[in-house]
Amino acid sequence: ETGVTQTPRHLVMGMTNKKSLKCEQHLGHNAMYWYKQSAKKPLELMFVYSLEERVENNSVPSRFSPECPNSSHLFLHLHTLQPEDSALYLCASSQVRRTHQPQHFGDGTRLSIL
Amino acid sequence: DQQVKQNSPSLSVQEGRISILNCDYTNSMFDYFLWYKKYPAEGPTFLISISSIKDKNEDGRFTVFLNKSAKHLSLHIVPSQPGDSAVYFCAASAGNNDMRFGAGTRLTVKP
Repeated sequence: ETGVTQTPRHLVMGMTNKKSLKCEQHLGHNAMYWYKQSAKKPLELMFVYSLEERVENNSVPSRFSPECPNSSHLFLHLHTLQPEDSALYLCASSQVRRTHQPQHFGDGTRLSIL
Repeated sequence: DQQVKQNSPSLSVQEGRISILNCDYTNSMFDYFLWYKKYPAEGPTFLISISSIKDKNEDGRFTVFLNKSAKHLSLHIVPSQPGDSAVYFCAASAGNNDMRFGAGTRLTVKP
């Protein structure tokens, strides 16, 4: 029981599809994060999110759209993705929105774009 | 640009011996450094951290050393155990919104 649950674990989609990744944390944390891990590359922080504030990340294409309806749930809406978007997407949470605070990760969603 | 580098993709040590994992960084604005461990098919788990105002932090078998002048940190595991076999990620943060990870080092501890 990691406390952070991601669904689905695997997702295959075409470039024209629209899908959403879901993350749920049961730890009472106030901040949530989306990361991307491409093959042979380090984890990349995509979004930092809390109920009060979403931090924009200009380096993330607009085809990725986060949503945080409450402090326990985080979504990543996907549309018109490209083959290079195939990667492992990890969600994490922390007690407060400080990146140096230990983060609790989910097991990730493996996304494949056809 | 890769601001956090782990130059050794893999490391193999004998059970009971010391494991030393290294990490270099380029951004002098990083003020916290963290180590995470990752088993296959699982998300990373937090291991230990250190503030830039310290040069050492210890937690049981795990010790992290920070050399700010060299922009280098290392994780020491002693004694190493087979259950420590995993991928270890070094991470550095600056402020509240910038977190950079290294590419990871795969540690194998042989019985």
